[in-house]
Amino acid sequence: KAGVTQTPRYLIKTRGQQVTLSCSPISGHRSVSWYQQTPGQGLQFLFEYFSETQRNKGNFPGRFSGRQFSNSRSEMNVSTLELGDSALYLCASSTTGNSYNEQFFGPGTRLTVL
Amino acid sequence: AQTVTQSQPEMSVQEAETVTLSCTYDTSESDYYLFWYKQPPSRQMILVIRQEAYKQQNATENRFSVNFQKAAKSFSLKISDSQLGDAAMYFCAYRRSGNTPLVFGKGTRLSVIA
Repeated sequence: KAGVTQTPRYLIKTRGQQVTLSCSPISGHRSVSWYQQTPGQGLQFLFEYFSETQRNKGNFPGRFSGRQFSNSRSEMNVSTLELGDSALYLCASSTTGNSYNEQFFGPGTRLTVL
Repeated sequence: AQTVTQSQPEMSVQEAETVTLSCTYDTSESDYYLFWYKQPPSRQMILVIRQEAYKQQNATENRFSVNFQKAAKSFSLKISDSQLGDAAMYFCAYRRSGNTPLVFGKGTRLSVIA
């Protein structure tokens, strides 16, 4: 089985722009979670989607949004980019998203905001 | 809110030796899961080992084992016979039972010296 894939792998944007990141889960996985990884804050949960519905949301401003498609692929969008949004964005997929199901992580998208 | 603390930002170990990474967590829940994830440089995060809180027996996976002290809310990872490929960031994570996100510690960077 192919693993979790994320595109693009690297992005450079300027302040004020918006960006869309994509995540393709492992085939058969219906839950996709997004995490932001920074040196200062570590790994922080953004949101989780299951069957096209946002099921959980972390403590991030409304500039961060996401969606999930019927094939379980997910996108996250960040509008009005700030310098502090520079981070590695990881997505993880699992079969149902329940805590007993392992989450498999993608390689991440490294976003740099100039 | 649940928190996970890794008090050792960096550690090093000689090849073939044993190293223990520390992790403490804070929760009022009784049903939860604990994890150790490994993130090699520029590579995907992978699950090393997991422990269900209701299980008294410590989890083991080949050279990796944990010391789970539920009353003390401590969850350390022991790596035996360390190999060069063990060099990575190691994250301790907590997950409350149910459809819940992972809560990560800040990580411990492990170096393996040949």
